[in-house]
Amino acid sequence: QSVLTQPPSVSAAPGQKVTISCSGSISNIGNNYVSWYQQLPGTAPKLLIYDNDKRPSGIPDRFSGSKSGTSATLGITGLQTGDEADYYCGTWDSSLNAFYVFGTGTKVTVL
Amino acid sequence: QVQLQESGPGLVKPSETLSLTCTVSGGSVSSFYWSWIRQPPGKGLEWIGYIYYSGRTNYNPSLKSRVTILVDTSKNQFSLRLSSVTAADTAVYYCARPAGALGSYTNWGQGALVTVSS
Repeated sequence: QSVLTQPPSVSAAPGQKVTISCSGSISNIGNNYVSWYQQLPGTAPKLLIYDNDKRPSGIPDRFSGSKSGTSATLGITGLQTGDEADYYCGTWDSSLNAFYVFGTGTKVTVL
Repeated sequence: QVQLQESGPGLVKPSETLSLTCTVSGGSVSSFYWSWIRQPPGKGLEWIGYIYYSGRTNYNPSLKSRVTILVDTSKNQFSLRLSSVTAADTAVYYCARPAGALGSYTNWGQGALVTVSS
């Protein structure tokens, strides 16, 4: 039921950079802020990026977010083994009564 | 720092009603919005809905006919009821708090696994 499309998986060696795309539409990404969540195995999701490109306190600047039109991107530089997790984008969809939508999720693997 | 904790039965029979409660500590339910989000095993996240402390609700259109979210300010809790459940409703259910009406989800409970099975 996800209306935001992400690649199923991305991978890179330690120290390298990965980017994760999130594609939506005018009614969601196009008109609302995007957030990114990190879900480590067996744990609840954790807010990583909010309002497209802002980091909550405690999130290292290795994580960055951007938005252009109806797509958003999460970047992770200096990849670490502890970054192995599932990553989800999320935003509000304003098509009818506003409801929240998540991306399909991307598994990041550190080679 | 607001903390959230889900509680409720871990096993529900098909066609019955799933009921979960989220207890809020470190803050009051008499402000902000409060949500439920679920994740079937091995799958992605699905937003169920939210309630504002005043009682105003908004639900995922795909679940709207079966969902009720209530708030109990006297107990500092909010709850989820999902009726006529099937195996497809088996999931980890998270309670969470968005940072405002159209905000990101800043606080999450640890999650509660609910299995629908006879």
